[in-house]
Amino acid sequence: SQQGEEDPQALSIQEGENATMNCSYKTSINNLQWYRQNSGRGLVHLILIRSNEREKHSGRLRVTLDTSKKSSSLLITASRAADTASYFCATDAADMRFGAGTRLTVKP
Amino acid sequence: GAGVSQSPSNKVTEKGKDVELRCDPISGHTALYWYRQSLGQGLEFLIYFQGNSAPDKSGLPSDRFSAERTGGSVSTLTIQRTQQEDSAVYLCASSLISSRAGTEAFFGQGTRLTVV
Repeated sequence: SQQGEEDPQALSIQEGENATMNCSYKTSINNLQWYRQNSGRGLVHLILIRSNEREKHSGRLRVTLDTSKKSSSLLITASRAADTASYFCATDAADMRFGAGTRLTVKP
Repeated sequence: GAGVSQSPSNKVTEKGKDVELRCDPISGHTALYWYRQSLGQGLEFLIYFQGNSAPDKSGLPSDRFSAERTGGSVSTLTIQRTQQEDSAVYLCASSLISSRAGTEAFFGQGTRLTVV
C-alpha cells in the first residue's frame, strides 16, 4: 500500500512569508488530501484535490497536483503564527497511510 | 455526538497490564482507522475497518495488539501485556466511505497511553 511522503521534514519561516511543502507518491491516484495537526492530537482535513484537477484554492491555501511527476504541493500564503503545525498528505489508498509530515514553524 | 470520540483521553498503566482503547466514530461512517504516534514522530498506521471487516491487519506491531469493530460503529483497540514502548498517542479517525472515494477523514483527539 502506498503513502505520501512529505518534504521538507521541517520548515521555519517568518510571519507574513509564504510556506511551501511537497508530497510525493508512487502509484497513480484518484485524489490526494492534505491534513494539519496541532500539538500532537487529531488531524484536521484541509483540502482534497482530484486527479483531474491541477490546482485548488481554499482561503490562504493553494494546492497543486502534477500527476505526471506524482507530486503535490501545499502553499500557505501570508503565513501566521497560528499556522505553526505539522502538515501531512494522504493518497487515496483504502488504508489511508500518512508520511512523516512537514513540521512548519512560523515565527512572529 | 458530532465528532469522533475517543476514550479515555489519558491512560497510565503498569507494564504487563492489558488496556482497551475505545473509538466512537461519527454516526454512519463506514471506514474507521487506528494510528499510533510517538512523540515528535509521524502517524504509524495500525489498522482500518470497512464496516466490521479489517482487510489488512499487517500494520499491528505485534500479536499483543488486536482490534475489533462491532455493529459498524464502535471500535476497540486492545493491547495485551503492555510494554514501555507502547507509550504513545493512539488516534482514531472515521470517514463516510473511504479515502479512495474521496471522503475526508475526521479524527478524534486521541488517547495518550503511558506505560510505567
